[in-house]
Parts: sequence; structure tokens; C-alpha cells
Amino acid sequence: GAVVSQHPSRVICKSGTSVKIECRSLDFQATTMFWYRQFPKQSLMLMATSNEGSKATYEQGVEKDKFLINHASLTLSTLTVTSAHPEDSSFYICSASVGQGGEKLFFGSGTQLSVL
Amino acid sequence: GESVGLHLPTLSVQEGDNSIINCAYSNSASDYFIWYKQESGKGPQFIIDIRSNMDKRQGQRVTVLLNKTVKHLSLQIAATQPGDSAVYFCAETDSTLTFGKGTMLLVSP
Repeated sequence: GAVVSQHPSRVICKSGTSVKIECRSLDFQATTMFWYRQFPKQSLMLMATSNEGSKATYEQGVEKDKFLINHASLTLSTLTVTSAHPEDSSFYICSASVGQGGEKLFFGSGTQLSVL
Repeated sequence: GESVGLHLPTLSVQEGDNSIINCAYSNSASDYFIWYKQESGKGPQFIIDIRSNMDKRQGQRVTVLLNKTVKHLSLQIAATQPGDSAVYFCAETDSTLTFGKGTMLLVSP
């Protein structure tokens, strides 16, 4: 199957700093990438959908100025958590799709963000 | 098995038993369903999928059953092994993928 690489796998930062998470499709071009957030013992919650070359579509309740998404190429999307605070601590997961819909999704390995 | 809730249901089985994990979905327009396995600290891993024009699909040691009448999906794992221990999520989509709340499967040797 296709491979999605997510980096870093774990990051610890001080409150107020910004953190960038990268999501790369290694052997296919991803027209659409998705970013999820997952709290312990809970399901994945979709944060935003990004399409290459256009602005991301954010789910209700997700602050677009807080979670900056850039999808500048067909193989790379980045999520930047700006001015992170302890409540932003979570497991962030990206996925990539070849098509426009929710089918044939390939997931990254996730990033555990801990904000002190 | 809705997509809300703070408690993760747990299914405990003995190695070699068959496991059945259930999921109720909410969107009657969903036409594609997937089961994912997620190990601790990792991203979801695709297990098996099924389209709404089918009611059963089999893979290697896994079977997915779909009952559209009651909007119910199940995953059957035959001869469960310790390596099957993980959280299992169902997901539904008509255009956007929505995850269910997950079930933790614990397999004892």
C-alpha cells in the first residue's frame, strides 16, 4: 500500500511556541490531505481538509488561525500549531487521499504533541 | 458505537477465540465503510472495507458484515491472536470519512 510519512512523531514544547508537523505522501501524489486530532481513548476528529494549491477547509470549532495548514505540493502538507498551549496537547494524525472523497485513505503514524 | 463519547468500550478475549466488534453508524447516505486498527501511538491501519451494495465481505481472518436496515456494521476476527490487541474503529463515508468511537480489543494468551 501507499506510504504516508509524518514527522515528527513526538514533540514537546513550551507554551507559546509554534510547532510544525509535516505529512508527506512518499510514493503517490495526494490531491487531498486530512488532519485529525485524537485525545486519549477517543476517536479521531477531523480538523481540516486541505487540497493542493487551495485553502484548507476547517471543521466547525477548529480555529484556522490557530491551526495553519499549508498544502503547497501534491506530496506535502503541513500543520502548524501556533502559540501552542497545554490544551493543544494531543495526538495529531494526517492522512492522504488520491481522490477527492474519503476512500483510499492512507494514514501517517501520528505526532504526539505535549505542550508544557 | 456513535462518533461521540468519552469512554472506550473494551472487548476481552482469549487467544484463539473469535472476536466480534460492533459499530452503529448514523448517516443513512453513507455508501462506503471501513474498519481500521490502531495500535498505541500509531496511526490507523486499514483492515477491510465494504460498499453499501454488499452485506458481507471476507478477508484474511476478518469478515465485515453490513446491515443497512439498522445501520450496523460488525468486524469478525477469527482465531484472535495477541497481535490483534488494538483499538478498532469503524468509519463511514458518503463524501467525508467519519470515525466511530472505537473498541479496544484485548487478547490474552
